[in-house]
Amino acid sequence: GAGVSQSPSNKVTEKGKDVELRCDPISGHTALYWYRQSLGQGLEFLIYFQGNSAPDKSGLPSDRFSAERTGGSVSTLTIQRTQQEDSAVYLCASSFTKGGVETQYFGPGTRLLVL
Amino acid sequence: GNSVTQMEGPVTLSEEAFLTINCTYTATGYPSLFWYVQYPGEGLQLLLKATKADDKGSNKGFEATYRKETTSFHLEKGSVQVSDSAVYFCALSDINTGGFKTIFGAGTRLFVKA
Repeated sequence: GAGVSQSPSNKVTEKGKDVELRCDPISGHTALYWYRQSLGQGLEFLIYFQGNSAPDKSGLPSDRFSAERTGGSVSTLTIQRTQQEDSAVYLCASSFTKGGVETQYFGPGTRLLVL
Repeated sequence: GNSVTQMEGPVTLSEEAFLTINCTYTATGYPSLFWYVQYPGEGLQLLLKATKADDKGSNKGFEATYRKETTSFHLEKGSVQVSDSAVYFCALSDINTGGFKTIFGAGTRLFVKA
């Protein structure tokens, strides 16, 4: 079956522009995560959606970052007024829980370069 | 709150060497534990998992045992290959408001030389 997909796969933008990154989770997965991975670094948690609960936005680095998840499925991460330090790979993961165990499935990521 | 700590990399080994990547965790509940692997240029994928104390997860020659007494989930492989070169992430999943939440360690980069 289809996995988690993300678009675009690569995005080059100019400093100060807004960008939107899209994540299509696996159908039926109730939870969705966004992470950021800078070159050679680990995963930085950004935001987490779980069913109809209020999203956990505790990882968003500034108010320039926002995300929404429409209809409990597709999610969009928006970065306003991009800065060079926003350059990174943005990873999305969706998850399902079975038998009390949550397992995450990752998309291939969107590589963002801010010039 | 919950946290995951894993050994800093990079780890550099020769082919057929024994691998250990340490991972310890802090959790208020009874989490499930995972190792994810990220090969160069790819996204993360689940390598193995263990859901309760003393469980052993295994896959592709890798193993990790859920040790509640030491709050550890160390990753081991008896004989590494060049193709194992990747970044390895330890993670835990614990119950959270409305469901579960997974958190990750910082990742450990492994280089295997031929």
